[in-house]
Amino acid sequence: SQQGEEDPQALSIQEGENATMNCSYKTSINNLQWYRQNSGRGLVHLILIRSNEREKHSGRLRVTLDTSKKSSSLLITASRAADTASYFCAPLTQGGSEKLVFGKGTKLTVNP
Amino acid sequence: GAGVSQSPSNKVTEKGKDVELRCDPISGHTALYWYRQSLGQGLEFLIYFQGNSAPDKSGLPSDRFSAERTGGSVSTLTIQRTQQEDSAVYLCASSLDGTGRPPLHFGNGTRLTVT
Repeated sequence: SQQGEEDPQALSIQEGENATMNCSYKTSINNLQWYRQNSGRGLVHLILIRSNEREKHSGRLRVTLDTSKKSSSLLITASRAADTASYFCAPLTQGGSEKLVFGKGTKLTVNP
Repeated sequence: GAGVSQSPSNKVTEKGKDVELRCDPISGHTALYWYRQSLGQGLEFLIYFQGNSAPDKSGLPSDRFSAERTGGSVSTLTIQRTQQEDSAVYLCASSLDGTGRPPLHFGNGTRLTVT
């Protein structure tokens, strides 16, 4: 298993703007997952991108994956105050143990 | 139930006492995970169950921590002789299988405060 490193650690934007968060990892992956955590709650799965995919969309979310750079990005378009949360990436190591390891996340604040 | 349920939601205990934290996973989910999250930090993996077996206990911080799962369902995390550094939110998650490929479904956690 391996831990993803999210960047930046914190991001503050105005409602309506786009938010981009990045994730880097170290070894080959099977898939990479993004999760959101609202304050005082558990994590919620947002989107999973497989190693053979380069881009995936879900509503206002767009995830890209560059396996050559071992990085992924999460773009939230037209952000809303309700998007305020911490966002975590979790790379699943190819052929490795099954557990998902989470980093410290990106804390996103969307100001109304 | 619709989601992963954890109880209690909050627990305050005195240093040196034992505590038990409970997790009810989603029905039919064979894999169950425990994580710990200290204030402002990421999630620290503790232990993973596949059915009633724990193939990976590597994250348990000390022998004061133990966990069991019965009937392939409910899991209990026990912390003996609690210390102040055990204060954290303990999160449980379940998934359809243990491959890591299906997403994890998390409960809202138990906030443990050791005074």
